[in-house]
Amino acid sequence: DAKTTQPNSMESNEEEPVHLPCNHSTISGTDYIHWYRQLPSQGPEYVIHGLTSNVNNRMASLAIAEDRKSSTLILHRATLRDAAVYYCILRGRTGRRALTFGSGTRLQVQP
Amino acid sequence: GAVVSQHPSWVICKSGTSVKIECRSLDFQATTMFWYRQFPKQSLMLMATSNEGSKATYEQGVEKDKFLINHASLTLSTLTVTSAHPEDSSFYICSARGGAENTEAFFGQGTRLTVV
Repeated sequence: DAKTTQPNSMESNEEEPVHLPCNHSTISGTDYIHWYRQLPSQGPEYVIHGLTSNVNNRMASLAIAEDRKSSTLILHRATLRDAAVYYCILRGRTGRRALTFGSGTRLQVQP
Repeated sequence: GAVVSQHPSWVICKSGTSVKIECRSLDFQATTMFWYRQFPKQSLMLMATSNEGSKATYEQGVEKDKFLINHASLTLSTLTVTSAHPEDSSFYICSARGGAENTEAFFGQGTRLTVV
């Protein structure tokens, strides 16, 4: 699987936007970019995914670079409940295999 | 959205005993389920892939005789930790996906196992 690189940790203030970067320079043409997050003592939950175009949903936005070698997860207004570890994961077109988790980015949100 | 329910959410057991963890897909049929283990401050590590009606596929270094997986129906997979030892204490998480291509993966709430 192609590797992703994320910062170990980031801090944000409540109510402010947060931009979580992910580098995936070895991404293949058919890899989707997935983001999951894991709140303390819980299983991961799906956040968003995309292939080439930017994506928006109720949780977040995903901005994908034109060359697809990097992407950014955007939380428009961070809340205390958004404090979690965020994982950027590449997934093949069929998605049949298990997700491979890297170390992710631990987001701390300050009140 | 789809829900994966994992039970129990936590369990404490004595060394040498066995513990069974259940993973159910509540509103969809899961042909494939995955079992992960997560130690404190670490990321999730895949243990095995569970396929309905067939033998599980284990990752390198995971003992199949110690971590028994059964996927007897399209909505239930179980992981049994046999002859548990303190080093088996961990957070166990199951995941399931439906049949469509590249759908999101759904995760259980996790089971915190403590072996004393």
